[in-house]
Amino acid sequence: GQQLNQSPQSMFIQEGEDVSMNCTSSSIFNTWLWYKQDPGEGPVLLIALYKAGELTSNGRLTAQFGITRKDSFLNISASIPSDVGIYFCAGVPSYGGATNKLIFGTGTLLAVQP
Amino acid sequence: KAGVTQTPRYLIKTRGQQVTLSCSPISGHRSVSWYQQTPGQGLQFLFEYFSETQRNKGNFPGRFSGRQFSNSRSEMNVSTLELGDSALYLCASSRRDRAGTDTQYFGPGTRLTVL
Repeated sequence: GQQLNQSPQSMFIQEGEDVSMNCTSSSIFNTWLWYKQDPGEGPVLLIALYKAGELTSNGRLTAQFGITRKDSFLNISASIPSDVGIYFCAGVPSYGGATNKLIFGTGTLLAVQP
Repeated sequence: KAGVTQTPRYLIKTRGQQVTLSCSPISGHRSVSWYQQTPGQGLQFLFEYFSETQRNKGNFPGRFSGRQFSNSRSEMNVSTLELGDSALYLCASSRRDRAGTDTQYFGPGTRLTVL
């Protein structure tokens, strides 16, 4: 199945450090979303981006919609232990017409050591 | 406002059986999408329903089907289960806001194990 290129695959950091992850695609996307998933649960929406160049913050989280519309990044500042989980990017491609079909990234596993 | 709910949360079936999963969207949301999550393939789109009509379909065999009711609740059915159908099945709902954007909110998922 189709997946977005997401990096890094995993990160092991100390509490208080900043984190950065990104997603890239060869196709243009209309929407970029960032989700966090805990084991056995569904993804929880963190940030939604709808316009190229848009920069949006949600507390310690900041995400940007790339100007080319083919990429997005997520930054987490001053990480805390509860930031542990798997982070997914997801996008709605520009092709396909009126649809909410999401293409997901491969995920970034974040581990935070107190 | 209540979130997306899915039932059952866990299910164990044997090969060849069929299964029906249920999803209740957030109140006011008319679009419901289904995704399959496996360690090997990640999160893959199954299909989307809007106003009781299938609006889009992913690359899954015909054994996977779904439907949406007039109250926007949705069900998905998998017939003739195979071992490879073991996965977390996620439902997401969305509503177009005034800006014309849709944002999908996920339920907790149904963990299906096929023995």
